[in-house]
Amino acid sequence: SQQGEEDPQALSIQEGENATMNCSYKTSINNLQWYRQNSGRGLVHLILIRSNEREKHSGRLRVTLDTSKKSSSLLITASRAADTASYFCATDLGGAQKLVFGQGTRLTINP
Amino acid sequence: NAGVTQTPKFRVLKTGQSMTLLCAQDMNHEYMYWYRQDPGMGLRLIHYSVGEGTTAKGEVPDGYNVSRLKKQNFLLGLESAAPSQTSVYFCASRRDHGTDTQYFGPGTRLTVL
Repeated sequence: SQQGEEDPQALSIQEGENATMNCSYKTSINNLQWYRQNSGRGLVHLILIRSNEREKHSGRLRVTLDTSKKSSSLLITASRAADTASYFCATDLGGAQKLVFGQGTRLTINP
Repeated sequence: NAGVTQTPKFRVLKTGQSMTLLCAQDMNHEYMYWYRQDPGMGLRLIHYSVGEGTTAKGEVPDGYNVSRLKKQNFLLGLESAAPSQTSVYFCASRRDHGTDTQYFGPGTRLTVL
């Protein structure tokens, strides 16, 4: 069964706008990670937020984590055409870091 | 560094045939993982390894076997392929328990007819 549920499943915005994707999960986590996947390619790690953190920034990315609601959000500011990709959240339950992935959000940035 | 590489990139099998997918990493990582990705399902863990000579089952291990005879290689075997195993397979590696980032290979697209 899937640990993470992502919302929305697809998002289409204009270049320069901000994009927000949400992830909800079911069980306690060690950390939560966001990955990007360009069409036909492997996944690339974007950012990790630990269970004791509430917000983290990396360049144009901002991730929040609310462990009481078991949810996280990924904000991409000032979007660019190159941000077009699928974005996945993955929860790390600890141990051997068996990541459990959500179904992903497909983001399209229109020029 | 080549990072994580996978061979082959594409493969078409007939039902009942067998094959082995090879994952190689040149980063001296301890942990390695095999996932499958199906439309609308995200990635699901098949098997993983926490070091040379070790393997463990993930979420969807049935129909697959793995081996980690060398630290840099993680092999995924399909003994008798079924159409339900049509998928894109991704390998990933992680340095050790002290780091969290997984590095992914480019994937192998497998079709079972």
